[in-house]
Amino acid sequence: EAGVAQSPRYKIIEKRQSVAFWCNPISGHATLYWYQQILGQGPKLLIQFQNNGVVDDSQLPKDRFSAERLKGVDSTLKIQPAKLEDSAVYLCASSPPDTQYFGPGTRLTVL
Amino acid sequence: KQEVTQIPAALSVPEGENLVLNCSFTDSAIYNLQWFRQDPGKGLTSLLLIQSSQREQTSGRLNASLDKSSGRSTLYIAASQPGDSATYLCAVRVAGGYNKLIFGAGTRLAVHP
Repeated sequence: EAGVAQSPRYKIIEKRQSVAFWCNPISGHATLYWYQQILGQGPKLLIQFQNNGVVDDSQLPKDRFSAERLKGVDSTLKIQPAKLEDSAVYLCASSPPDTQYFGPGTRLTVL
Repeated sequence: KQEVTQIPAALSVPEGENLVLNCSFTDSAIYNLQWFRQDPGKGLTSLLLIQSSQREQTSGRLNASLDKSSGRSTLYIAASQPGDSATYLCAVRVAGGYNKLIFGAGTRLAVHP
């Protein structure tokens, strides 16, 4: 069974630029999550999708972050414009009703 | 608001030692608790999941316990090996949420030969 795929794996941008991350969940998983993990901290949930719909985006900085999940499968997370404090690993996860399966993450560095 | 704390933040031990990692949470209304392993440049791998009604779970050399009333969990690693070197994260699934996980900051473990 293929795991959760993410791309790119690494990205370096300058502040105020835009960036987008892509996630392909495990086939058949209805729920998809985006987490932000700042160095030295645990992952923090940014947004959770159930099929096409958003069920939790309470910690998503909506002035600069946006996410979508088209056709209930792939998802993209966008940051526009980026700030220095957005430097982090962005993890995507998907799940059937219970356990979450994580992708390898995208490491973002904002200079 | 649920908060998860892990102690110690880092640990370095010689190979063969038995060790204990600690996790505490502030709200006992949890659905379950999971221990994850994170290797550099890789995602999280689930090690053990304890339902709120359970007291412990075991997998090979790993044993996790849960005391929901006191808001504590421990991960016991027996006979540690260099391959156990990684960051170990504890996460609670909040009751009533959409499978939302709240993570601790992790314990960074180094096992040296």
